[in-house]
Amino acid sequence: GQQVMQIPQYQHVQEGEDFTTYCNSSTTLSNIQWYKQRPGGHPVFLIQLVKSGEVKKQKRLTFQFGEAKKNSSLHITATQTTDVGTYFCAGRAGSGAGSYQLTFGKGTKLSVIP
Amino acid sequence: NAGVTQTPKFRVLKTGQSMTLLCAQDMNHEYMYWYRQDPGMGLRLIHYSVGEGTTAKGEVPDGYNVSRLKKQNFLLGLESAAPSQTSVYFCASSARFLRTTLYNSPLHFGNGTRLTVT
Repeated sequence: GQQVMQIPQYQHVQEGEDFTTYCNSSTTLSNIQWYKQRPGGHPVFLIQLVKSGEVKKQKRLTFQFGEAKKNSSLHITATQTTDVGTYFCAGRAGSGAGSYQLTFGKGTKLSVIP
Repeated sequence: NAGVTQTPKFRVLKTGQSMTLLCAQDMNHEYMYWYRQDPGMGLRLIHYSVGEGTTAKGEVPDGYNVSRLKKQNFLLGLESAAPSQTSVYFCASSARFLRTTLYNSPLHFGNGTRLTVT
């Protein structure tokens, strides 16, 4: 079945440093979504990428979708303590009956040292 | 507008006991999902529903049953709880989307139910 690998599992950064998490799929994806889960909270949708090579920005967050639509990344510039949490990617493979399902990566837990 | 509401928030069960987790959404979403989250494992889909009266198996359906008798509610049942079912359970809902497009509607999650089976 489809697998979505996410690295690193943990990342500790000093406040003000940059942070990147990477997502790789074993199959070509129709789309990829990113979610953030604060400690003790629930996942919250951040963004969806659909097009090959797509890049989207949300303030200090930059999201990329690879040309082959098999990988994606989330980059945070100048991290703040409010960025603390676990970031998940979730991808949909192909179309058809399985297209309702998103496969989640295991997440990257970000800690920010003030 | 409460979004997605899960009850209960916490539950402790003994092995072999049964229970039902309730999920309710007030966003008129067509699709609903049950995920479990375990440390280092991410979110894994248990069952999902694309409409009232329909359900389907996800990635890890064994030991669970679901029902969607009303559009706004999605129930997750454990008939005979096992310690391996100790987890945090999240319900999610999403709006209808065309499977022929490349888009999926974003998932809206509830606050989760922390279940411990001893």
